Amino acid sequence: ETGVTQSPTHLIKTRGQQVTLRCSSQSGHNTVSWYQQALGQGPQFIFQYYREEENGRGNFPPRFSGLQFPNYSSELNVNALELDDSALYLCASSLAGGQTMKFRYGYTFGSGTRLTVV
Amino acid sequence: GNSVTQMEGPVTLSEEAFLTINCTYTATGYPSLFWYVQYPGEGLQLLLKATKADDKGSNKGFEATYRKETTSFHLEKGSVQVSDSAVYFCALSGLTSGSRLTFGEGTQLTVNP
Repeated sequence: ETGVTQSPTHLIKTRGQQVTLRCSSQSGHNTVSWYQQALGQGPQFIFQYYREEENGRGNFPPRFSGLQFPNYSSELNVNALELDDSALYLCASSLAGGQTMKFRYGYTFGSGTRLTVV
Repeated sequence: GNSVTQMEGPVTLSEEAFLTINCTYTATGYPSLFWYVQYPGEGLQLLLKATKADDKGSNKGFEATYRKETTSFHLEKGSVQVSDSAVYFCALSGLTSGSRLTFGEGTQLTVNP
């Protein structure tokens, strides 16, 4: 089975620009989440998509937005980039089920996109 | 809200030493608990998990037991190898938070030959 793939692997942007990061979910997974990992810190939850709709959001401003496509791939868009947006952005997919959406299984993470804002 | 606290790092050990990385959590109900490992330049890999109290997760010689009474999920390995050098993250997925993972700050482990 294929894992989670993310593109690009590295990216350098200028403050104020916009960026789009892409993620292909693991085969058979229907849920994708995005995390921001600043240097030396644990990942922070940005948002999750299930069946093409946002299904939970962390403490991130609206300039962080996303999409999930019918094939369960996903995009993370960040507008008006700030220096503090420099981080590793991780995509993770899983298989959701049940009314509570509680996951008893671990996510499969991609290798991430390293974004540097200058 | 949910939170995870890991022991402060970094941790440096000699090969074949015993490893313990402490992890405690705060959450309502009965969260699922995870340990993830991150090798340099890579994403996160699931190391082990436990979904209910007293469950023991194990993988590649690593073990962790879900202790509800102490809200802990400490990671242990009896004999570490140089190849275990990585950053280890404790995480939880709580009932009220749906499926989102809440991570600790991570613990850098370096194993010297």
